[in-house]
Amino acid sequence: EAGVAQSPRYKIIEKRQSVAFWCNPISGHATLYWYQQILGQGPKLLIQFQNNGVVDDSQLPKDRFSAERLKGVDSTLKIQPAKLEDSAVYLCASSLGQPLHFGNGTRLTVT
Amino acid sequence: GENVEQHPSTLSVQEGDSAVIKCTYSDSASNYFPWYKQELGKRPQLIIDIRSNVGEKKDQRIAVTLNKTAKHFSLHITETQPEDSAVYFCAASNDMRFGAGTRLTVKP
Repeated sequence: EAGVAQSPRYKIIEKRQSVAFWCNPISGHATLYWYQQILGQGPKLLIQFQNNGVVDDSQLPKDRFSAERLKGVDSTLKIQPAKLEDSAVYLCASSLGQPLHFGNGTRLTVT
Repeated sequence: GENVEQHPSTLSVQEGDSAVIKCTYSDSASNYFPWYKQELGKRPQLIIDIRSNVGEKKDQRIAVTLNKTAKHFSLHITETQPEDSAVYFCAASNDMRFGAGTRLTVKP
């Protein structure tokens, strides 16, 4: 089966700019997750979708981060405006129950 | 949400020795406990998981044990090999929050 697809793989932006990441989950997976992984740390859950509804966004910095999954398939994660501390790998994962399947991530560098 | 703590943060062993990584969780309702391996620059990949109705699960050199009373679970790797060197993450249950990770180094 095709895995979780993410794009872009790398992105470099200046602070205060905006950026968007895209994720296409495994076909049929109802649950989609976005994680932020800062170098040397574990993945931090930002938001969890069940189809097109938000299950958990308690750790999403809502003043600058937003995410949507309008048709219950693809998802986008946006940061506006970016800060230096947003430099990280943004991982998308999907599941049909358990386990989670991760994409290769987008490495964001904010300068 | 669930709070998962993982120890140790780094672990160095000689090839052939065993390695044990422990995680504790806070939510007694958690019922699913996966372990992921992440090699440098790559995505996390599931290596083994266990559900709350089972106390132990083994897959070749890898095993996971679960103590629901104490709310902790452990990853055991026997006969370690250099290719086992990676960062290992645990997670707990439905909201899938991860531990901080353990960097395992297997010295040849």
